[in-house]
Amino acid sequence: NAGVTQTPKFQVLKTGQSMTLQCAQDMNHEYMSWYRQDPGMGLRLIHYSVGAGITDQGEVPNGYNVSRSTTEDFPLRLLSAAPSQTSVYFCASTLSLGYQETQYFGPGTRLLVL
Amino acid sequence: AQSVTQPDIHITVSEGASLELRCNYSYGATPYLFWYVQSPGQGLQLLLKYFSGDTLVQGIKGFEAEFKRSQSSFNLRKPSVHWSDAAEYFCAVALSYSGAGSYQLTFGKGTKLSVIP
Repeated sequence: NAGVTQTPKFQVLKTGQSMTLQCAQDMNHEYMSWYRQDPGMGLRLIHYSVGAGITDQGEVPNGYNVSRSTTEDFPLRLLSAAPSQTSVYFCASTLSLGYQETQYFGPGTRLLVL
Repeated sequence: AQSVTQPDIHITVSEGASLELRCNYSYGATPYLFWYVQSPGQGLQLLLKYFSGDTLVQGIKGFEAEFKRSQSSFNLRKPSVHWSDAAEYFCAVALSYSGAGSYQLTFGKGTKLSVIP
């Protein structure tokens, strides 16, 4: 298994540009989520999905859209990038909805918005 | 709302010395607690987790953590630190949503560990 993969690893955008951060997992996990990590802030949940076709907002959803058309993929879209979205983005997945399941994190995408 | 506090932003220890990283939580119900480690430029790796039962939890890489309900704490310990332990450590609490039965993680802001050779 490749686990949780994220592309790209690095990206530079100009203000107003759009882009999609890709996240995929090959472990047949139902639950997937996106976090952003900022210095001194820890990780904050952006959006999550409990299964294909189902998504919901986390703590900091503004400026981001998600969709979950398949179990494997959970892309994060920035429709109009802003400098405040400069961050490191992590995707995570877990097998089921039970509390005892471990979340597995991808390697992250570093995004710089100029 | 639940919260997780890691009081120490940065800790420096000598190699071979013991380590304790502090974590306090604010949560009304029985918490589900985690410790993750992040090496520079890497993603997060789970060290250990507590759901119920024995309050002393063993994890990978020689780490352990003790859940103390009376103190609302879940401190991470290691008896002898290695230089490779230098990383950032995050404590997290799982919040459940009764409707969907799913859970989300709330993270502390992290503690950066430096190890002196």
